[in-house]
Amino acid sequence: EIVLTQSPDFQSVTPKEKVTITCRASQSIGSSLHWYQQKPDQSPKLLIKYASQSISGVPSRFSGSGSGTDFTLTINSLEAEDAATYYCHQSSSLPWTFGQGTKVEIK
Amino acid sequence: EVQLVESGGGLVKPGGSLRLSCAASGFTFSSYSMNWVRQAPGKGLEWVSSISSSSSYIYYADSVKGRFTISRDNAKNSLYLQMNSLRAEDTAVYYCARGQHYDFWSDYWGQGTLVTVSS
Repeated sequence: EIVLTQSPDFQSVTPKEKVTITCRASQSIGSSLHWYQQKPDQSPKLLIKYASQSISGVPSRFSGSGSGTDFTLTINSLEAEDAATYYCHQSSSLPWTFGQGTKVEIK
Repeated sequence: EVQLVESGGGLVKPGGSLRLSCAASGFTFSSYSMNWVRQAPGKGLEWVSSISSSSSYIYYADSVKGRFTISRDNAKNSLYLQMNSLRAEDTAVYYCARGQHYDFWSDYWGQGTLVTVSS
């Protein structure tokens, strides 16, 4: 099973600050890594597919990078509405797995 | 607009059964794989099961293998999850999520249905 480890687990950030969340896979997964945002009492929303591909309707301040085992989600100029938990997810091999989540709080 | 609406959740005793349904609309259901993903209270996301567009490929997490059965009815645009021998650790919100044509990651998710296993 491929284990995805996100860091940090929690981040408290002021508006307009840049946020960087990393996701490390226990073995190479190529670019089969996707990022989701989940706000309280809502279902997950897709932010980035295949490590770096943008999604229609997602603000351009969200971007992704990486391949192999190391991946990054970047939020440029954080806004109050970005308070949420962020998950990475791999679709390279069964069982599909998720990172443990990174909670982003607005100071 | 893609819509996924789950139903069938509720309170069930350990060892009991429940059948979840997911009604899909706004896309050609028969062209996409589908997934069930769950989230225990206050916890992260856990993949449960996937089914390919024509039901040719079906996969389960080890934690539910032999107890849960995924199925779909493309004529009714519906996805199902039959859950048997339920345990307390199956308590979670269950999400129906759309996969891709030839991959299983999810782009759209339903609002979820809560399953509580308790005596």
